[in-house]
Amino acid sequence: GESVGLHLPTLSVQEGDNSIINCAYSNSASDYFIWYKQESGKGPQFIIDIRSNMDKRQGQRVTVLLNKTVKHLSLQIAATQPGDSAVYFCAESRGFQKLVFGTGTRLLVSP
Amino acid sequence: EADIYQTPRYLVIGTGKKITLECSQTMGHDKMYWYQQDPGMELHLIHYSYGVNSTEKGDLSSESTVSRIRTEHFPLTLESARPSHTSQYLCASSGTYNEQFFGPGTRLTVL
Repeated sequence: GESVGLHLPTLSVQEGDNSIINCAYSNSASDYFIWYKQESGKGPQFIIDIRSNMDKRQGQRVTVLLNKTVKHLSLQIAATQPGDSAVYFCAESRGFQKLVFGTGTRLLVSP
Repeated sequence: EADIYQTPRYLVIGTGKKITLECSQTMGHDKMYWYQQDPGMELHLIHYSYGVNSTEKGDLSSESTVSRIRTEHFPLTLESARPSHTSQYLCASSGTYNEQFFGPGTRLTVL
C-alpha cells in the first residue's frame, strides 16, 4: 500500500547503555503527556505519563522529563536491554481532548 | 479481564470486496479511536467516537466509515477495498483520563 508520512528516526545503542529519546511537542497549552512503546506487530503499550504540574516522573528503569519552557519531553531508559528495542511514541493532550501523537523514534539495542 | 480486542488479526482480500474490521472493549470506555499505520511509520488518526451515536473523522482522510451503536463496539468498514488500503489498523479506547489503550491491530492486505 501507499506509505503515508515520514520514516521514523532511529536511535542505536549498546546493551547496558542508557537511552534518551526526545520529543518536541507543539501545543503550549498541553497538560498531559504520555510515552508508548510499540513492538513489531503489536499495538502501542503505555510506558509512563506525566502531567504539566511536574518536571520529572520515574518508573521502573524509565524516567520522563518535561521542559515546558522549550516544549520538550524526553524518555530515559536505564541499562537498556534487547527487549527495549521497539518504536517509542510520545503523545500530548489538553484537558479532555484526544491525544496527539508524535512521529515516533525507533530504538535499536545491540548486544 | 478488561481489555480491547480486534478481529481479524490478519486479513488478505481481493480488490472490490467489502470488509469490516471489528473492535470491542470491555473497559466501559466512552471514547474509541481508529488509527492507520504503515510498517515503521507514524500513527494516523482516521476516526474517533466520544460515545454512542457519535463519530468524527480524524486527521487523515480515509475512505472507511465507522459506527458506534454500542459503547463497547466500534467497527470500521471499507465498502470497496483497494490495494492502497493495505496497512495496519489499530483500535484504541480511553476513559475519563486521556490514556489510550490499544488493541493488537489488524494487518490488512488488499490484492
